[in-house]
Amino acid sequence: QQQVKQSPQSLIVQKGGISIINCAYENTAFDYFPWYQQFPGKGPALLIAIRPDVSEKKEGRFTISFNKSAKQFSLHIMDSQPGDSATYFCAASGNFGNEKLTFGTGTRLTIIP
Amino acid sequence: KAGVTQTPRYLIKTRGQQVTLSCSPISGHRSVSWYQQTPGQGLQFLFEYFSETQRNKGNFPGRFSGRQFSNSRSEMNVSTLELGDSALYLCASSPPAAQDGYTFGSGTRLTVV
Repeated sequence: QQQVKQSPQSLIVQKGGISIINCAYENTAFDYFPWYQQFPGKGPALLIAIRPDVSEKKEGRFTISFNKSAKQFSLHIMDSQPGDSATYFCAASGNFGNEKLTFGTGTRLTIIP
Repeated sequence: KAGVTQTPRYLIKTRGQQVTLSCSPISGHRSVSWYQQTPGQGLQFLFEYFSETQRNKGNFPGRFSGRQFSNSRSEMNVSTLELGDSALYLCASSPPAAQDGYTFGSGTRLTVV
């Protein structure tokens, strides 16, 4: 019930292309869905987050799409750049983010020139 | 403003020993959470402290314990270390409005030999 499934495990995208990472959750009590970006040797950093009362949230080149009925959400990175190469984690939490984060397994994104 | 500070950055311990890790949250953040990150299990929640009280606990054995001080600084202790405890231990702090997101430190890399 607490699982968050993330795919793909790794992704290679050409510079300028769109990177898409997908997540699915089971627990309907989740009501806060953040995405984290992690570079080697660093802790995860919050990228963007969404609540289930909206279907999309955009911040710069990063967009979260949320499908409440399918219990799925995804991260889209537009105009992907080599500096976006990192590991991305989706996560979910209940009680408006006040409960523990349950993380997906991560996606290693590589942007090639 | 200063981020989440974790010390030490690296540790090498022998099986059976115990270890204490330290975390200083962002000023004003009263909630501190600990996560274990391994290649096999990903990011797993250990526990969360708020105002010196454990508010949440993950599914880890009793060898893993923590505490929080009045200045919100937190320590995590692992006793009777096992090889499987080798991991990156991450601390995250969050403001009163958790929706503003957790900020992670760079972690402590623990190696048990």
